[in-house]
Amino acid sequence: EPEVTQTPSHQVTQMGQEVILRCVPISNHLYFYWYRQILGQKVEFLVSFYNNEISEKSEIFDDQFSVERPDGSNFTLKIRSTKLEDSAMYFCASSESGRDQPQHFGDGTRLSIL
Amino acid sequence: DQQVKQNSPSLSVQEGRISILNCDYTNSMFDYFLWYKKYPAEGPTFLISISSIKDKNEDGRFTVFLNKGAKHLSLHIVPSQPGDSAVYFCAPHSSNTGKLIFGQGTTLQVKP
Repeated sequence: EPEVTQTPSHQVTQMGQEVILRCVPISNHLYFYWYRQILGQKVEFLVSFYNNEISEKSEIFDDQFSVERPDGSNFTLKIRSTKLEDSAMYFCASSESGRDQPQHFGDGTRLSIL
Repeated sequence: DQQVKQNSPSLSVQEGRISILNCDYTNSMFDYFLWYKKYPAEGPTFLISISSIKDKNEDGRFTVFLNKGAKHLSLHIVPSQPGDSAVYFCAPHSSNTGKLIFGQGTTLQVKP
């Protein structure tokens, strides 16, 4: 069964450094998402992406965050200057369409900011 | 964000019995409701969904019930199996956004 893959599985970064989290969505999917889960808290939406542009973003997704689909297969989340509170599990998801189709998630990247 | 609540943090059932997981929501704009299962160190795995035009959807051992009037949905697993032990999330969204709003999850333990 096709799956969403994320790399790396664990990323340790110094505060203030830039980090890029990578995702390969399912190949025929058109909608892409990033979510995060801070330890002990709910999974929360960050951003959705369709047709090479952001379709929706949350309050969390400020100017420090950006997303890109640099080629036909990868979808990346960049955090420009990491903060301690960015430590979380980051999940990438994709879906065939934006409505009434399930989103399929990768296994996540654990981001630890020191 | 209190739009989606799963009031039972945990549930323990015997193998072969029914597991019932509940979810309440407040946003009347939600029209597509999904259940995800999550094992440790893995991402959420899609389990079953229901559209707001239905009140029941069944897939094998899993059935989701939607009561729009009460803004309540439930997931029934019967018979429960030890491999069903995981964290279960309900995650609805509204048709004008693909953004999923997750509940806090219910940890299900199925005892052999």
